[in-house]
Amino acid sequence: KNEVEQSPQNLTAQEGEFITINCSYSVGISALHWLQQHPGGGIVSLFMLSSGKKKHGRLIATINIQEKHSSLHITASHPRDSAVYICAVGAGGTSYGKLTFGQGTILTVHP
Amino acid sequence: SAVISQKPSRDICQRGTSLTIQCQVDSQVTMMFWYRQQPGQSLTLIATANQGSEATYESGFVIDKFPISRPNLTFSTLTVSNMSPEDSSIYLCSVLPGNTEAFFGQGTRLTVV
Repeated sequence: KNEVEQSPQNLTAQEGEFITINCSYSVGISALHWLQQHPGGGIVSLFMLSSGKKKHGRLIATINIQEKHSSLHITASHPRDSAVYICAVGAGGTSYGKLTFGQGTILTVHP
Repeated sequence: SAVISQKPSRDICQRGTSLTIQCQVDSQVTMMFWYRQQPGQSLTLIATANQGSEATYESGFVIDKFPISRPNLTFSTLTVSNMSPEDSSIYLCSVLPGNTEAFFGQGTRLTVV
């Protein structure tokens, strides 16, 4: 079993739909990262969070430390949101900075 | 924040040869991380590069195969040695300056023929 599991692996939506991507992890973490990679592009950080909820524009990320679960929500989705979304967990202590990645969620938003 | 320049962006190499990948960061960072993404797989940590000390390798990765240099706080190289087709992957460097979000190089897409 992978230490970081994302679901779904593939997601297709119509423009305007509300989207949720889930991430579960099985190890202790210092922080959880949500990353985005557009086709042909580099990996960009969307959020880093260790508790609660963060919001940036139409994107919302939540984390439940007790349940070892995080969600990324996209409101009013748009075709430009089409990308791979990756959840990664950061280790703590002497392993601080090391990231363990989920397999990614491929999101396609149709106009 | 940090901006990372990674070179080369892609290369096609003959088996048995070596390729050195460079990452230049626009600010000083203590640790740099090298990752590999094999086709259809998630990113996996190869090693952590610290300035002034030997790199720390993860299980399954060895220095002879992936030697790393870290001559200063803004630069690191990863060499993929004695390449085989199984080394065909995307290689990425990453930093986390302070207690902040992660920043990544653009990646090096390596094909070994």
